[in-house]
Amino acid sequence: QKEVEQNSGPLSVPEGAIASLNCTYSDRGSQSFFWYRQYSGKSPELIMSIYSNGDKEDGRFTAQLNKASQYVSLLIRDSQPSDSATYLCAEGLTTGNQFYFGTGTSLTVIP
Amino acid sequence: NAGVTQTPKFQVLKTGQSMTLQCAQDMNHNSMYWYRQDPGMGLRLIYYSASEGTTDKGEVPNGYNVSRLNKREFSLRLESAAPSQTSVYFCASSLSGYEQYFGPGTRLTVT
Repeated sequence: QKEVEQNSGPLSVPEGAIASLNCTYSDRGSQSFFWYRQYSGKSPELIMSIYSNGDKEDGRFTAQLNKASQYVSLLIRDSQPSDSATYLCAEGLTTGNQFYFGTGTSLTVIP
Repeated sequence: NAGVTQTPKFQVLKTGQSMTLQCAQDMNHNSMYWYRQDPGMGLRLIYYSASEGTTDKGEVPNGYNVSRLNKREFSLRLESAAPSQTSVYFCASSLSGYEQYFGPGTRLTVT
């Protein structure tokens, strides 16, 4: 059963602040989780992948995975107006090639 | 590298007409995917191809057929279009079956 849940937002943060995006999922033996950014009218763009419990940092982005609590989050530090987009959380099954996406959280960074 | 390309960008069909959406990637990826994206529903997997010569159903395969023509190309066919197939269609590819890279999308309207 597909259940990748995201708060649809909109989430508004001031420029320079930390934006926190959250996602919960059903346990389907999943082992891979992804965050995509999608600008209006454009295609999803991969920004982070995480495969094990804990934090993974890449520039201003940090992904956090907690398999026991079945949630994955994305922190965006020093948020910029160019970060304004919809952020999609995706869950990948252990077998690979099967993915379930959340409906996305709309983020607006206010200058 | 062009990455993942899709044709056409826009299409309007009448109910009952057929068409093929084309997708090609130049990243030497093994896996390719077709998704549809509808408001409030998120991205849903239609079909995928884990490797050349194989195809498998995703979450919403009814009304669609696919062909993995070679390693680069993966097409999606609508045999008899219905208004419920009005959507944005994205093709994606992946080297290992995990991190996916998306094409620009095809906006299809069925009247």
